[in-house]
Amino acid sequence: AQSVAQPEDQVNVAEGNPLTVKCTYSVSGNPYLFWYVQYPNRGLQFLLKYITGDNLVKGSYGFEAEFNKSQTSFHLKKPSALVSDSALYFCAVRPPGDRGSTLGRLYFGRGTQLTVWP
Amino acid sequence: EAGVAQSPRYKIIEKRQSVAFWCNPISGHATLYWYQQILGQGPKLLIQFQNNGVVDDSQLPKDRFSAERLKGVDSTLKIQPAKLEDSAVYLCASSSNRRGRINEQFFGPGTRLTVL
Repeated sequence: AQSVAQPEDQVNVAEGNPLTVKCTYSVSGNPYLFWYVQYPNRGLQFLLKYITGDNLVKGSYGFEAEFNKSQTSFHLKKPSALVSDSALYFCAVRPPGDRGSTLGRLYFGRGTQLTVWP
Repeated sequence: EAGVAQSPRYKIIEKRQSVAFWCNPISGHATLYWYQQILGQGPKLLIQFQNNGVVDDSQLPKDRFSAERLKGVDSTLKIQPAKLEDSAVYLCASSSNRRGRINEQFFGPGTRLTVL
């Protein structure tokens, strides 16, 4: 069964420091991986995705994520955190399959609340 | 480009009542999804449409939930009758369907449902 784990409910960092939000997954084959961010009373916003190729993926707002197949991880990172990065972050996995498949189910983790203090 | 629109934003009903949510996806997006997000959890897919056809409704509680996308654009999700455990945020998302590409989903702001 497909699953996503975000082992930390909360991550607290000081502004200017690097941040990491962890994600591990369990799925057969090579998955497609996503990070979304959710601000209060708003829907999820897409940050970045890994489909294939370079293990380091760069996304919106200076975020990047590293795909590690051996550790089945896809940790979100940013070199220098901003107070405005404070939000709820979700990792999601789409199981592999025919790229032409219309099935697009995403399996989400429980989310990690990131707080960046001034 | 306009985003995914949903209404209402908030709804409070009593158990056993009925409720309906509306979603207008991004123009041109053939695929539409409804997710349920219970407080403290990640979104869970309820149903996926490809144009006006259902692709995946395996997680939809069909005894009380129904959804339609009659003209392949707007969609409605209905709960009848509602239970206390249906209290959640209902998210609509859409994506384009270019074959050979894994396209990200774009989410609406959600409808927060409270069942009393």
